[in-house]
Amino acid sequence: GQQVMQIPQYQHVQEGEDFTTYCNSSTTLSNIQWYKQRPGGHPVFLIQLVKSGEVKKQKRLTFQFGEAKKNSSLHITATQTTDVGTYFCADQDSNSGYALNFGKGTSLLVTP
Amino acid sequence: KAGVTQTPRYLIKTRGQQVTLSCSPISGHRSVSWYQQTPGQGLQFLFEYFSETQRNKGNFPGRFSGRQFSNSRSEMNVSTLELGDSALYLCASSLVGAGANVLTFGAGSRLTVL
Repeated sequence: GQQVMQIPQYQHVQEGEDFTTYCNSSTTLSNIQWYKQRPGGHPVFLIQLVKSGEVKKQKRLTFQFGEAKKNSSLHITATQTTDVGTYFCADQDSNSGYALNFGKGTSLLVTP
Repeated sequence: KAGVTQTPRYLIKTRGQQVTLSCSPISGHRSVSWYQQTPGQGLQFLFEYFSETQRNKGNFPGRFSGRQFSNSRSEMNVSTLELGDSALYLCASSLVGAGANVLTFGAGSRLTVL
């Protein structure tokens, strides 16, 4: 299956600054999911995007799905120390609908 | 309701040994997926089971195997362990399969191979 590419790999911000992570694919995605993994924890589902150009918000988090369905982004406004963790995007495997392929993730560090 | 339960949480093995990891999905979830997580490779898909059938397998050697029981509980086995098998093994369940449904992950089994 295809592999989604995530950038940046790491991001270090001061508390209150904004943060964005990008997820890119060379092929059209049927849908995309975002997960967050806190240090020492396991991935936790955040959101799923399905429609072209879709934008969803969860408090300070804004998720976008590109018009061509080949990219997605997660933007956090005014980061807090509770936002620390690794954010993964995942797409449905093209060979089988029963697997998710995860990007390598973006690790976010927020210092107070 | 109870989440995804993985046992054991931590284990240490030596090269050449084998290991069996267990996963109990959320009640009602029939799909179980397994992932290997390492710092260098991220989350890599191992395999997925639904109704005791393996529907998809990732790019791992035959030393990695799994199965699912009629109650949806799943096990994975790694034989002839190598140092590179040291990782966090994550199990995730979903109603009928990833893609259409979201994955709920367990806390993982951290395997160290010495």
